[in-house]
Amino acid sequence: AQSVTQPDIHITVSEGASLELRCNYSYGATPYLFWYVQSPGQGLQLLLKYFSGDTLVQGIKGFEAEFKRSQSSFNLRKPSVHWSDAAEYFCAVGPMDSSYKLIFGSGTRLLVRP
Amino acid sequence: ETGVTQSPTHLIKTRGQQVTLRCSSQSGHNTVSWYQQALGQGPQFIFQYYREEENGRGNFPPRFSGLQFPNYSSELNVNALELDDSALYLCASSLYQAEAFFGQGTRLTVV
Repeated sequence: AQSVTQPDIHITVSEGASLELRCNYSYGATPYLFWYVQSPGQGLQLLLKYFSGDTLVQGIKGFEAEFKRSQSSFNLRKPSVHWSDAAEYFCAVGPMDSSYKLIFGSGTRLLVRP
Repeated sequence: ETGVTQSPTHLIKTRGQQVTLRCSSQSGHNTVSWYQQALGQGPQFIFQYYREEENGRGNFPPRFSGLQFPNYSSELNVNALELDDSALYLCASSLYQAEAFFGQGTRLTVV
C-alpha cells in the first residue's frame, strides 16, 4: 500500500537552531517527492520537490531535503530556524504515471522558541 | 499571472444539505485536483479533472462529484452532507503531470 509516514507530530526548536523533519514513504515505484508548508488556516505552499537526479534538493526559504532510496526517506532540513518557520509541514509522494494524486503524510507541527 | 482562487472561504451547512465549492485554476493550467483535509490530518485526494473529464478518484463515495469547465475552473459538489464532511477543501491546479499549486481552501463546517 502506498503511504507516507511523518513520525513526529510536533517538534519544538529554538530560533537559530537546526531542524530536521523526518519522512518515510512506501511506494511501488520511484515516486516524485514533495515537501509542503501550511500556515494556520492557509493552503499549501511547495517548499521543494524531487523528481530525479541529485538526491540533495534545495528549496525556498533556506530548506533542503535529501532523498535516500535505500531508506525510503526524504527528510527536510534547515540549518537555522527562524520564528516565521513555525507552521505545519507535510511530506507527499506522487506517481510517475499519467495521474497526479499526491499522497500526504499526517504532518509535523513545528513550534519555534524565541 | 493569477494564482488558484477558491470560493467561498468559509461556509456552514446543515447535515443532509448539498454544497458546491468553486475553484479558479491558475492561468494556463488545464488540470484541477481536489483534496479534503480533516482537522489535524494531511490532505486526502478526492479526484482530479483534466480537460473536463475525471482523471482519477480517491476513496470517496459518489456523493462527492465534480465538474471542470472549458476555462478549466472547477466545482466540487457534495450531496447529503454528513458531520464528517467538515474539513478544509483544497483545490490544486497544474499543467498535466506537472507541479500542483494549491489554493487557500474552503473551510466547510457541517452542523
